[in-house]
Amino acid sequence: QVQLVESGGGVVQPGRSLRLSCAASGFTFSGYAMHWVRQAPGKGLEWVAFISYDGSDKYYADSVKGRFTISRDNSKNTLYLQMNSLRAEDTAVYYCARDGKVFTYHYSYMDAWGKGTTVTVSS
Amino acid sequence: QSALTQPASVSGSPGQSITISCTGTSSDVGGYNYVSWYQHHPGRAPKLMIYDVSNRPSGLSTRFSGSKSGNTASLTISGLQAEDEADYYCSSYTRSRDVVFGGGTKVTVL
Repeated sequence: QVQLVESGGGVVQPGRSLRLSCAASGFTFSGYAMHWVRQAPGKGLEWVAFISYDGSDKYYADSVKGRFTISRDNSKNTLYLQMNSLRAEDTAVYYCARDGKVFTYHYSYMDAWGKGTTVTVSS
Repeated sequence: QSALTQPASVSGSPGQSITISCTGTSSDVGGYNYVSWYQHHPGRAPKLMIYDVSNRPSGLSTRFSGSKSGNTASLTISGLQAEDEADYYCSSYTRSRDVVFGGGTKVTVL
């Protein structure tokens, strides 16, 4: 079955960097666009970034634009989120999610989610 | 990227029906049929409940239904059950080619 497993979270100081990974299995990863979504403590879901199935199109939330970079390696069935210049407000559980439509270049819906990895930005 | 507007909480007794609204603008909810709804139990992965305004994923209970009128989408849960108690989020594609979520609605089964 479809499985998404995030890793790479941890405690990091403000201004430092962290890279999250999301290992995908159970489906043809190279055919699906992917997302990162986060949930800060006590807050709702916030979309972070999107990457098309072939990696050619990428979109970001204003709150992370210029600091975060989404990428993918279809040969390794893995999605990444490079997070630079981290701030306290980036503290959250980060989820990777699969877009529901194949070969798409924009959001449609998220039909599979990982269980998340926790990022804490604190000095 | 302003969040879509949802009521903070909705409650109902077992067996009743409840409706959660999700209000956006013509640049998101009103302009596209890429409106979806997610159920989220704390500590677990969110779960897709409705996609493309009114479609249910395969195997999902028919007690869940979605609709849209103008800039407002709605999720209706009929025959409310204890297991439905969770947070629910709407989401939409936007004119800026990004994604916006609602603030979330806590559903309580009385």
